[in-house]
Amino acid sequence: TQLLEQSPQFLSIQEGENLTVYCNSSSVFSSLQWYRQEPGEGPVLLVTVVTGGEVKKLKRLTFQFGDARKDSSLHITAAQPGDTGLYLCAGAGVETSYDKVIFGPGTSLSVIP
Amino acid sequence: DAGVIQSPRHEVTEMGQEVTLRCKPISGHNSLFWYRQTMMRGLELLIYFNNNVPIDDSGMPEDRFSAKMPNASFSTLKIQPSEPRDSAVYFCASTADRRDYGYTFGSGTRLTVV
Repeated sequence: TQLLEQSPQFLSIQEGENLTVYCNSSSVFSSLQWYRQEPGEGPVLLVTVVTGGEVKKLKRLTFQFGDARKDSSLHITAAQPGDTGLYLCAGAGVETSYDKVIFGPGTSLSVIP
Repeated sequence: DAGVIQSPRHEVTEMGQEVTLRCKPISGHNSLFWYRQTMMRGLELLIYFNNNVPIDDSGMPEDRFSAKMPNASFSTLKIQPSEPRDSAVYFCASTADRRDYGYTFGSGTRLTVV
């Protein structure tokens, strides 16, 4: 069974601070996705990383896929209140031939003005 | 495209009643997923379809839950009879036939069974 762990579970920071959240597994994934979910809405895809060691940037957000494709990190620079939400990582397994992904439990981020 | 459309947004029902949740995926997406989200268990995959065919229903909690996808533009998740422990937010998501495209989620149905 492939499982994803995320840390920290909760994070509360002041506006302007930097932060990193982590997504880890003992399994290898063919790709990994990051989503942000705001209260009352469904998760929204932020990025997909496919290649081991890959780094992608989305404005103040930097995503990295581990070399072994077992882990990933999301770094936010100068956090803003609009970054508040639940950050979910999701991995696509190497064994499956369909589009099934496994979601981690999420990191709940609160950015205080 | 209007995105993945779910209805109703909120549903309050009494224990023992039948509940039907509806989903319209994005046109052209050929995989559809039903998830349940709770504080305790996070996002749980209930069932997914590929080209309207159920591929994996191992996440369906028990026989009270059933899902159908009669055509490429419509799916239902039915709970009969409903129980208080079924209270959760139910999401539908769809994707094109490439896992690196990511999922597009609907806004969810918040189900409360009293």
